[in-house]
Amino acid sequence: GAGVSQTPSNKVTEKGKYVELRCDPISGHTALYWYRQSLGQGPEFLIYFQGTGAADDSGLPNDRFFAVRPEGSVSTLKIQRTERGDSAMYLCASSLQPDAGANVLTFGAGSRLTVL
Amino acid sequence: AQSVSQHNHHVILSEAASLELGCNYSYGGTVNLFWYVQYPGQHLQLLLKYFSGDPLVKGIKGFEAEFIKSKFSFNLRKPSVQWSDTAEYFCAVTGGYNKLIFGAGTRLAVHP
Repeated sequence: GAGVSQTPSNKVTEKGKYVELRCDPISGHTALYWYRQSLGQGPEFLIYFQGTGAADDSGLPNDRFFAVRPEGSVSTLKIQRTERGDSAMYLCASSLQPDAGANVLTFGAGSRLTVL
Repeated sequence: AQSVSQHNHHVILSEAASLELGCNYSYGGTVNLFWYVQYPGQHLQLLLKYFSGDPLVKGIKGFEAEFIKSKFSFNLRKPSVQWSDTAEYFCAVTGGYNKLIFGAGTRLAVHP
């Protein structure tokens, strides 16, 4: 597609539920990144993929968070047993090559998660 | 670990005023530096970037930023702001890692 597409744009769930957030990167982009942005803060790195593999998942806050990219294109961020503190905007970005230092990231509009 | 500090959380200016937003980073090695902008209701967009070469970088919409290595700074400037520049501005850095590290952002409000 022309840009990075994220669905749903808004998700409201109850504490303890399971949530999946989807990211469809720009066609041909090999690198995909997930960030989380809480109110009043900058985006916080969660995980990035080179192709199908998670090259760096050091930003995932705990084992309730997991992400996959099985075919090297679409990625799903999965959150188990959601907590109120998980409420945030979840941003996805992609770039043509994996080196974020040399390549510009294109961001999607985000998925706003609210945990009641 | 890398970190980015943006000094001003909220800035209010009148149209035609000059703008300078501060950004400092902590990383001792070679860095790449970015400013991203988020207009109300829109997604993050790249404003400008520095990879190497001339430390004065020009971006879109009349913005520029200067990389001062000795001060670990990458301040964003615009000589004359417009109402349409109202947005949130994020400084970001990569250096030795394959990911962008963002500052907390600066909310700019420009009054006509």
